[in-house]
Amino acid sequence: DVKVTQSSRYLVKRTGEKVFLECVQDMDHENMFWYRQDPGLGLRLIYFSYDVKMKEKGDIPEGYSVSREKKERFSLILESASTNQTSMYLCASSFPQGAGGELFFGEGSRLTVL
Amino acid sequence: RKEVEQDPGPFNVPEGATVAFNCTYSNSASQSFFWYRQDCRKEPKLLMSVYSSGNEDGRFTAQLNRASQYISLLIRDSKLSDSATYLCVVNGNNAGNMLTFGGGTRLMVKP
Repeated sequence: DVKVTQSSRYLVKRTGEKVFLECVQDMDHENMFWYRQDPGLGLRLIYFSYDVKMKEKGDIPEGYSVSREKKERFSLILESASTNQTSMYLCASSFPQGAGGELFFGEGSRLTVL
Repeated sequence: RKEVEQDPGPFNVPEGATVAFNCTYSNSASQSFFWYRQDCRKEPKLLMSVYSSGNEDGRFTAQLNRASQYISLLIRDSKLSDSATYLCVVNGNNAGNMLTFGGGTRLMVKP
């Protein structure tokens, strides 16, 4: 079974803190994604990566950065956390084109910024 | 207008009922379509892909109407375990990296 593991299920941070969310997948997937999920807004794509050291902005990249130094690991960084970044963050991975687009998600990281 | 729109529900149905959800999308160039299921406090998981000719998987039937730009999900003989949020997902390209999610439709199946 595909496994996507997110390092922290729950985090509480203060405004202005730097936050790292780590994601690791074990299926050798090329594509990796970071989404945030908010009530009424659904899942929104923050960043994605289709190869090591490659990254592309999604729909809402402002306030976030990412790092992909190894194929299996994709990190989301909040340089200076703000209260409007309180959300559920979901990491996902998938095979590249032609594979039907199935995303495999991690269990999510619920971040609260005070 | 949102790119992918769903009625948020909740749809409250008795066990054994048939229930249908629709989802509309705005990008006429969209190429692939999916239904994901998300249980409370869990991650989304693929339920089924939606093919142009329509497809069925047990009690679940998905259909695509390109002319009217909507997809549908029909659940027959609802079970308590079908209670979840159903997410409509539209893929704008074959690389699989332009997936747009709808806000989800919540289904509650009651005894």
